[in-house]
Amino acid sequence: GNSVTQMEGPVTLSEEAFLTINCTYTATGYPSLFWYVQYPGEGLQLLLKATKADDKGSNKGFEATYRKETTSFHLEKGSVQVSDSAVYFCALSSFNKFYFGSGTKLNVKP
Amino acid sequence: EAQVTQNPRYLITVTGKKLTVTCSQNMNHEYMSWYRQDPGLGLRQIYYSMNVEVTDKGDVPEGYKVSRKEKRNFPLILESPSPNQTSLYFCASSSMPAYEQYFGPGTRLTVT
Repeated sequence: GNSVTQMEGPVTLSEEAFLTINCTYTATGYPSLFWYVQYPGEGLQLLLKATKADDKGSNKGFEATYRKETTSFHLEKGSVQVSDSAVYFCALSSFNKFYFGSGTKLNVKP
Repeated sequence: EAQVTQNPRYLITVTGKKLTVTCSQNMNHEYMSWYRQDPGLGLRQIYYSMNVEVTDKGDVPEGYKVSRKEKRNFPLILESPSPNQTSLYFCASSSMPAYEQYFGPGTRLTVT
């Protein structure tokens, strides 16, 4: 079956620190991969996506590379800001269905 | 403004009392979907729709119904709610399944 596993949080970092949130997946077929972000009290927003192996998605300083050999899609950012504090979800789409990870809460301290 | 709207935003009800949560989008999207969000479980897909009159089960469809009579609307129906359906529900839409999904603001449902 299809599933997404991401690192448990919360992750607490100081401003300007380097961020990595790990995400691995199991999927049939050739899934598309996504990172969504959820700010308190809001719905999810797309952060970035990749549709095939070796694609790199990037947005707002965040990036993630679709690694088929390791079935991973880790999220990285070189220098986090307080405004990046949110919950981050890794997700995949396969055969018209979506599967989300459990979410990783990021706290960035000034 | 492009958006997905849901109503109501908050709902407290009792076991067995039928309810409907409405979802509407103004982006002419073909794909619409319902999710529930529970602590530690992330979002789980309940039902999705590829187009008018075309709906299909997601990962957790038990206890829910949907309909897609018009392209813009995709209501979620709980015919006999139970306490284990207490959750935060999100509707989303996109032009295609692998494209960006736009999420509504969420409906927090409590079943006592």
